[in-house]
Amino acid sequence: QVQLVQSGAEVKKPGSSVKVSCKASGGTFSNQAISWVRQAPGQGLEWVGENIPILGTTKYAQKLQGRVTIIADESTSTAYMELVSLRSEDTAVYYCARRGSTWPLEAFDIWGQGTMVTVSS
Amino acid sequence: DIQMTQSPSSLSASVGDRVTLTCRASQTINSYLNWYQQKPGKAPNLLIYAASSLQSGVPSRFSGSESGTDFTLTITSLQPEDFATYYCQQSYSNPWTFGQGTKVEIK
Repeated sequence: QVQLVQSGAEVKKPGSSVKVSCKASGGTFSNQAISWVRQAPGQGLEWVGENIPILGTTKYAQKLQGRVTIIADESTSTAYMELVSLRSEDTAVYYCARRGSTWPLEAFDIWGQGTMVTVSS
Repeated sequence: DIQMTQSPSSLSASVGDRVTLTCRASQTINSYLNWYQQKPGKAPNLLIYAASSLQSGVPSRFSGSESGTDFTLTITSLQPEDFATYYCQQSYSNPWTFGQGTKVEIK
């Protein structure tokens, strides 16, 4: 069974960048579709982007396009999400999640524990 | 993008109550609808996928149904551990989108 373990909390200045990691254990990493979902304090869930290593495809939420990069290191079974030009509104818990890619289980069935990213001067 | 609208935004209920949460998609998504439960400070947990399939390990008091672009999550007998926020999410087309959530509180 795949487990996802994320890196620790980050505090960043506006205009800087942050890189969050998500290490997978169990299963075949390259077959997994790993998405990133964020949740601002007291708010709902927002999809950020997704990488599927075996297909070599990456997709991003339009509002973050150009500021977010998601990559996968298959040698270490680790996914990374980097967000640049940070703004206060990027303050959120960032989750990685495995998305099943075979019907009917095309849902986020495994989640990391979350990484709090705080953007503050 | 497909918009997901949940109602109500919050509700108060008692242990043992039957609770129904609704999610409406802005366009047809067939059965590509998933439900999650989230407790404070925790990651979301998948309850229902493909509109009505129960995720492994989830109690049978949870069920899902669909009618066109309207989807329903029903909890037949609310338990103390069910007080949480529930989100729907469509997996029909990218970008994957979530509803704004329904918070189930103790009456």
